[in-house]
Amino acid sequence: QVQLVQSGAEVKKPGASVKVSCKTSGYSFSSYGISWVRQAPGEGLEWMGRISAFNGNANYAQKFQGRVTMPTDTSTSTAYMELRSLRSDDTAVYYCAREEGIDYAIDYWGQGTLVTVSS
Amino acid sequence: DIQMTQSPSSLSASVGDRVTITCRAGQSIITYLNWYQQKPGKAPELLIYAASSLQSGVPSRFSGSGSGTDFTLTISSLQPEDSATYYCQQSYSTPRTFGQGTKLEIK
Repeated sequence: QVQLVQSGAEVKKPGASVKVSCKTSGYSFSSYGISWVRQAPGEGLEWMGRISAFNGNANYAQKFQGRVTMPTDTSTSTAYMELRSLRSDDTAVYYCAREEGIDYAIDYWGQGTLVTVSS
Repeated sequence: DIQMTQSPSSLSASVGDRVTITCRAGQSIITYLNWYQQKPGKAPELLIYAASSLQSGVPSRFSGSGSGTDFTLTISSLQPEDSATYYCQQSYSTPRTFGQGTKLEIK
């Protein structure tokens, strides 16, 4: 079965970086995209960006341009999200998710990783 | 960016009720519209993709309709386990924006 398993919770200081991993299994990694979505406490879903696991092409939300990268490792079927220059308002649960290739819906989600930014 | 606007932001309904949530896109997205359900402390789950296609395993009381800019999620007979927040998302272009969510409570 399709699974996306994310790395554990992180606590970071303002200005630091965080790298969240997303280990996938149960499907052909290179045949789908990976999206990253975050959710601040008590807030809605915010799309951060997506990457094609086939060719590495990435699209990032303007809000995160220059501060985020979303590399993939096809040898281990793992996706990563690195966010730099963290601020307190980056405190959120970060989700990786599989994006299917026809209608681009997100059909499977990771369990989420809580990133807390606090001095 | 394509803005997605859901209404209402919250609603309360009784078991067995027919419930409708609407989502409006800031420009035509054809049928690149998806609906997700999120329960507290859990990751979202895909209910409807491509505006009206039911995701495998999702109960048939959920349905979606619409095209262009106006879309609807309908729950034909509300069940207690449907208490959740519902989000629409456009997948027509990047950034793949979400609506602000509709919190559904069971009376």
